[in-house]
Amino acid sequence: QARLVQSGAELQKPGASVRVSCKTSGYTFIGHYIHWVRQAPGQGLEWVGRINPNNGGTNYAQQFQGRVTLTRDTSITTAYMDLTGLRFDDTAVYYCARESPNSNQDFDVWGQGTMVTVSS
Amino acid sequence: SYVLTQTPSVSVGPGQTARVTCGGDKIGTKSVHWYQQKPGQAPVLVVYDDFYRPAGIPERFSGSNSGNTATLTISKVEVGDEADYYCQLWDSSSEHMVFGGGTKLTVL
Repeated sequence: QARLVQSGAELQKPGASVRVSCKTSGYTFIGHYIHWVRQAPGQGLEWVGRINPNNGGTNYAQQFQGRVTLTRDTSITTAYMDLTGLRFDDTAVYYCARESPNSNQDFDVWGQGTMVTVSS
Repeated sequence: SYVLTQTPSVSVGPGQTARVTCGGDKIGTKSVHWYQQKPGQAPVLVVYDDFYRPAGIPERFSGSNSGNTATLTISKVEVGDEADYYCQLWDSSSEHMVFGGGTKLTVL
């Protein structure tokens, strides 16, 4: 069955960058968009952006434009999120999620989440 | 940008029916999805495309969508249904995903 496994927790200083990986398995990687969603402590879900693993095309939420880059490596069926210029309020759990075959952009499989802490 | 509005909290007793609403401009013309999130866990899809249930989701979970409100209904609520619930849709005009602010369901 489809599975997404994310990299481990990160502790970074303000101004630094972080990369979170999302290793996929159990399905055709290039057949489904991968989205990234974050959740600050005690807060709701916030969409970061998405990548089309087939061609690398991306969409980013307005508030992350210029700071986030989504990429993928089809040879190892892994998606990546790079976030630069980290701020204290970037502290959050970051999830990757697979867009389902339903084609209306629902997420049927989620990664376990990666805690990114920004602290001096 | 498109905005989805959810009531912050809903409380019901075991066995009762809980209704979680999600408001948005002409939301009835869009496909709405619902997620359940328990503390410390990733969200789980419970309803997609307004009213379809993924495999493994109990029939107690149902959805509807009309006008300016989409609704997730949970019948015969159990203690295990206590969680945060989020509505979500794709705004095709901006090519952005939108989440509601979430509703905390408390089972008294």
